[in-house]
Amino acid sequence: KAGVTQTPRYLIKTRGQQVTLSCSPISGHRSVSWYQQTPGQGLQFLFEYFSETQRNKGNFPGRFSGRQFSNSRSEMNVSTLELGDSALYLCASSTGPSSYEQYFGPGTRLTVT
Amino acid sequence: KNEVEQSPQNLTAQEGEFITINCSYSVGISALHWLQQHPGGGIVSLFMLSSGKKKHGRLIATINIQEKHSSLHITASHPRDSAVYICAANNFGNEKLTFGTGTRLTIIP
Repeated sequence: KAGVTQTPRYLIKTRGQQVTLSCSPISGHRSVSWYQQTPGQGLQFLFEYFSETQRNKGNFPGRFSGRQFSNSRSEMNVSTLELGDSALYLCASSTGPSSYEQYFGPGTRLTVT
Repeated sequence: KNEVEQSPQNLTAQEGEFITINCSYSVGISALHWLQQHPGGGIVSLFMLSSGKKKHGRLIATINIQEKHSSLHITASHPRDSAVYICAANNFGNEKLTFGTGTRLTIIP
């Protein structure tokens, strides 16, 4: 079974631009969660989707949004990028909610200049 | 104060030593996860537990719900165990995942 895939793996954007990141879960997994990892804040929960519905949202501004499609693939979008948005963005999939075992993708490293 | 605290932050040991990493949490939880992150960023789930003890090879995870504490043990440590180990707790109720700051483990041959 293929693992969780994320595209792109690396991205460089300019302050003020917007970005869309994609996550394809393991086949059969209906839950996708997104996380941000920075050296200063560590890993932080962004949001969780299950069967196309947002189940949970972390404490991030409205510039961060996401969605999940009927095939369980998920995208997250960050608008009006700020320098502080530079981070590793990880998605994870599971068969159930995030209290189930999480399978992580390799991440997208976003650099905002 | 972070809801999930890990100790130690850094740990260096000789190959073969018994390793213990601790995780304490302050809220009610539905599950606790132990994760391993190697340089380069990839994260692997080692254990997910809500009670008792789990063992996988040389790794053992325990949790004490009453004391709000979990430990990850590595027996016969090996240089390939060098990584950052992160505990994460699902908040009971909303199930949001909160992460500890991680323990950087270095095993010297």
